[in-house]
Amino acid sequence: ETVLTQSPVTLSLSPGERATLSCRASQSVGTYLAWYQQRPGQAPRLLIYDASNRAAGISARFSGSGSGTDFSLTINSLEPEDSAIYYCQQRDNWPPKDTFGQGTKLEIK
Amino acid sequence: EVHLVESGGGLVKPGGSLRLSCEGSGFTLSSYSMNWVRQAPGNGLEWVASISTSNYIYYADSVKGRFTVSRDNANNSVSLQMNSLRAEDTAVYYCARDAWLAAHFMDQWGQGTLVTVSS
Repeated sequence: ETVLTQSPVTLSLSPGERATLSCRASQSVGTYLAWYQQRPGQAPRLLIYDASNRAAGISARFSGSGSGTDFSLTINSLEPEDSAIYYCQQRDNWPPKDTFGQGTKLEIK
Repeated sequence: EVHLVESGGGLVKPGGSLRLSCEGSGFTLSSYSMNWVRQAPGNGLEWVASISTSNYIYYADSVKGRFTVSRDNANNSVSLQMNSLRAEDTAVYYCARDAWLAAHFMDQWGQGTLVTVSS
């Protein structure tokens, strides 16, 4: 089973700044990594898939990069609405079981 | 517009059973692999189970042998039958759709339904 480790656990930044979130896999996942945003009281929302592709309707302020075991989610020009927990996710090839990182809480102060 | 709506959550005693349902609208659910993901209070996301378009089913080790996923194509829905429930199964349960065939991610999520296992 592939384990995903996210860092930092919490990130506190100001509006207009840039956030960089990390996700490290215990073994190579190629580029099969996704990022989700979860605001308080809401369901997760897909942001990035296949490491670097923005999902439909997602702001260009969000970008993803990486391959193999090291991935990043970058959020430019932070806005208050970006306050949320961000999760990375991957799916093992066989059996096809998903794992999520433990999440990074982003606070916009 | 694509929507997923879960139902069936509630309070159940340890050892009891509950059946969750996830109804899709705006798309043909049978054409997509579907997943159940849960989130215990204050915790992160945990994948629970998935059912492919060919009805291959996979479970997390934590629920294998206790939970069963099935489809109801006539009602454009999937279900999660949960038996032998434990306190640690307490969570919000989400259903989520794979984006497309062979996708490795989920593009649509329901709003979730809360399951509380307590005496």
